[in-house]
Amino acid sequence: SAVISQKPSRDICQRGTSLTIQCQVDSQVTMMFWYRQQPGQSLTLIATANQGSEATYESGFVIDKFPISRPNLTFSTLTVSNMSPEDSSIYLCSVAPRSAGGTEAFFGQGTRLTVV
Amino acid sequence: GENVEQHPSTLSVQEGDSAVIKCTYSDSASNYFPWYKQELGKRPQLIIDIRSNVGEKKDQRIAVTLNKTAKHFSLHITETQPEDSAVYFCAASLTGGGNKLTFGTGTQLKVEL
Repeated sequence: SAVISQKPSRDICQRGTSLTIQCQVDSQVTMMFWYRQQPGQSLTLIATANQGSEATYESGFVIDKFPISRPNLTFSTLTVSNMSPEDSSIYLCSVAPRSAGGTEAFFGQGTRLTVV
Repeated sequence: GENVEQHPSTLSVQEGDSAVIKCTYSDSASNYFPWYKQELGKRPQLIIDIRSNVGEKKDQRIAVTLNKTAKHFSLHITETQPEDSAVYFCAASLTGGGNKLTFGTGTQLKVEL
């Protein structure tokens, strides 16, 4: 398995501000994925964070709104910028470490964001 | 890109009955199909997965079937128990979890006593 530490676990933020979410993994991984789960909805991929290169964003998500850092093979951050109430969601990071076979995707516990 | 549809959105069964959740995918190149269980307020957890070179896989009360020609795959839970109550998501990807997952819309399963 993989141990993924994500923080903060929850936050309430004012509109117009930014929040940075951290994801720490207990083993080195090539790719880290960031998902959004809106209330009562499924998981939607925001972007893939590769170490040493720019993140790859999915359709509908842009770097200016969701800048991502990937300074090393065990850590990544996702920033939600200039927040509005529509950004209220759970944000989850995910990895599929080789140490666990490289197939199964594990998720962090999520960051529950409420924008007021 | 890949598109995954999932049905039904809600499913209510009596304890001991079977539950079946169905998914279809659009990209014939997808070759890995996991199922996740998400309990309220918790992270998704893998319960079973199947690769495209296998038609069926079983793990105790849980089984998954795959029809690659029709691009359908299904989750079967037998002898349901109250602790099976949760939201279940199917997903599809190319090469496995090391690649991005496209999730279905989810099924809220309720097992009633």
